[in-house]
Amino acid sequence: KQEVTQIPAALSVPEGENLVLNCSFTDSAIYNLQWFRQDPGKGLTSLLLIQSSQREQTSGRLNASLDKSSGRSTLYIAASQPGDSATYLCAPSNFGNEKLTFGTGTRLTIIP
Amino acid sequence: NAGVTQTPKFRVLKTGQSMTLLCAQDMNHEYMYWYRQDPGMGLRLIHYSVGEGTTAKGEVPDGYNVSRLKKQNFLLGLESAAPSQTSVYFCASSYLIGYTFGSGTRLTVV
Repeated sequence: KQEVTQIPAALSVPEGENLVLNCSFTDSAIYNLQWFRQDPGKGLTSLLLIQSSQREQTSGRLNASLDKSSGRSTLYIAASQPGDSATYLCAPSNFGNEKLTFGTGTRLTIIP
Repeated sequence: NAGVTQTPKFRVLKTGQSMTLLCAQDMNHEYMYWYRQDPGMGLRLIHYSVGEGTTAKGEVPDGYNVSRLKKQNFLLGLESAAPSQTSVYFCASSYLIGYTFGSGTRLTVV
């Protein structure tokens, strides 16, 4: 059974800093891995998807890396802004049915 | 706009009542899913479907039933609601290129 751990559970940083969010998973036989953002009381917004054959994916100030063999992914946020404050969730998916397994997320607060 | 639409957005039920949550997607995705999200528990998979006419159990299926009669729709039913089913329910769809989530249904069972 896939288990996903996200550390830290919460993080507060001053505006402008670069930061890294960590995700680890126990079953490396994944199809892909997605990072999502969730604002309070809202749904999930997909940020980045990394296929199992890829090492990293970039979108604007966001960069996600994947090390499938070690069961780890990181989300790098450059030049953080108050609008980045949200909960960030990582979720690897299984082959065959693409079921996602979620961690409990990292709640990020950017201090102006 | 293309995406996943959930109805209703909010609902209050009394214990023992039944209801159906509707999920509709217009992206021609094969796979559809129902998750519930509870504080401190993350999102947990209730049921999923890998194609029209198919359904399968997820991590927490007890007390729920689903149907996928049409490719674009995935229905989640509660036959006899219990307070433990108070949660936020999310529907999602996918096929090869990642997930799209609906905006959620906040259900309270009193």
